[in-house]
Amino acid sequence: DAGVIQSPRHEVTEMGQEVTLRCKPISGHDYLFWYRQTMMRGLELLIYFNNNVPIDDSGMPEDRFSAKMPNASFSTLKIQPSEPRDSAVYFCASSTAVEQYFGPGTRLTVT
Amino acid sequence: SQQGEEDPQALSIQEGENATMNCSYKTSINNLQWYRQNSGRGLVHLILIRSNEREKHSGRLRVTLDTSKKSSSLLITASRAADTASYFCATDATGGGNKLTFGTGTQLKVEL
Repeated sequence: DAGVIQSPRHEVTEMGQEVTLRCKPISGHDYLFWYRQTMMRGLELLIYFNNNVPIDDSGMPEDRFSAKMPNASFSTLKIQPSEPRDSAVYFCASSTAVEQYFGPGTRLTVT
Repeated sequence: SQQGEEDPQALSIQEGENATMNCSYKTSINNLQWYRQNSGRGLVHLILIRSNEREKHSGRLRVTLDTSKKSSSLLITASRAADTASYFCATDATGGGNKLTFGTGTQLKVEL
């Protein structure tokens, strides 16, 4: 298996622009997690899905953030409009039980 | 807020020495996991210890769990330069579903 796939790996955008991050989980995994990692706040859980259904979105910072999982093999995290404070590395992870498998991350820079 | 707090924040040792990292957490847990993150990469699962276990080994890794003190330690024996990375504990809280809460991490540097 190729592992969790994320795209793009790097994204540089201007404040106010829409940003869409993509994730393909490991086949057969029924949980999908979106995290954000910054030096100041560490690794934060934003939202997670079980069987494509959002279970807990309490970590989504504000309405500018939204996430979808239209099917078992694809999820998106969208930021609209983006702000400089959204600059971070965004990770997607998937699992079947308790051990989580992380993707390589998307480094987002908002100028 | 972070469930787990790691100690120390940074650790520098010589190759061949042992490295010990500690993690404290706040609520009741089902299990505790340790992950490694190499610079610029995603996290990789290392080992899981359940709440009813006190010690677990995997290769050069030894994990202990003290639920009465809400703390865990990760010992890496005979460290190698390739062990240089950040190490995070993650807790699966009782009643929290499969959601993990990660600690602040320990940056380990193993020098030749």
